[in-house]
Amino acid sequence: DAGVIQSPRHEVTEMGQEVTLRCKPISGHDYLFWYRQTMMRGLELLIYFNNNVPIDDSGMPEDRFSAKMPNASFSTLKIQPSEPRDSAVYFCASSQDRGREQYFGPGTRLTVT
Amino acid sequence: GESVGLHLPTLSVQEGDNSIINCAYSNSASDYFIWYKQESGKGPQFIIDIRSNMDKRQGQRVTVLLNKTVKHLSLQIAATQPGDSAVYFCAERPGFQKLVFGTGTRLLVSP
Repeated sequence: DAGVIQSPRHEVTEMGQEVTLRCKPISGHDYLFWYRQTMMRGLELLIYFNNNVPIDDSGMPEDRFSAKMPNASFSTLKIQPSEPRDSAVYFCASSQDRGREQYFGPGTRLTVT
Repeated sequence: GESVGLHLPTLSVQEGDNSIINCAYSNSASDYFIWYKQESGKGPQFIIDIRSNMDKRQGQRVTVLLNKTVKHLSLQIAATQPGDSAVYFCAERPGFQKLVFGTGTRLLVSP
């Protein structure tokens, strides 16, 4: 398996624009997690899905953030409108169980100017 | 410039030394623990895990020790190499809940 795939790897956008981050989990993994990593806060869990259903979105910072998982092989994290404080590295991870080892993608580095 | 961020503890060692990275976890109900390694520009990578019914587990050049009495976890790296330079995270699983990650420790290995 190719591992968790994320796209784009880098995104630079202007404040107010919509940003969509994409993730393809490892085949057969029932859990998908979205994290954000910044110097200020470290690694934060934003939301996770089980069998394509959002289970816990308590880490989503505000209504500007939304995540979907239309099928077992694809998820998106959308920010609309984006703000400079959203600049961070966003990781997607998948696992066979919510408490088991998670396999992380390479991340998307988002810069909002 | 950048705002002040998390102050990661840093461990500096010489190549060939053994390294010990420590982690204090918070939840006495945690029954499963993982160590991750994150190299610059990459996502965290699984290193080794341990269940709460064990106090030691060994992998290739790495050993994890678990002390449930004081809620302490450590990662020992034998014969540390420059390629081991990274940020190391411990993660705990409180019961059957999702993993909770620590803030990390930076390991710097000098040749």
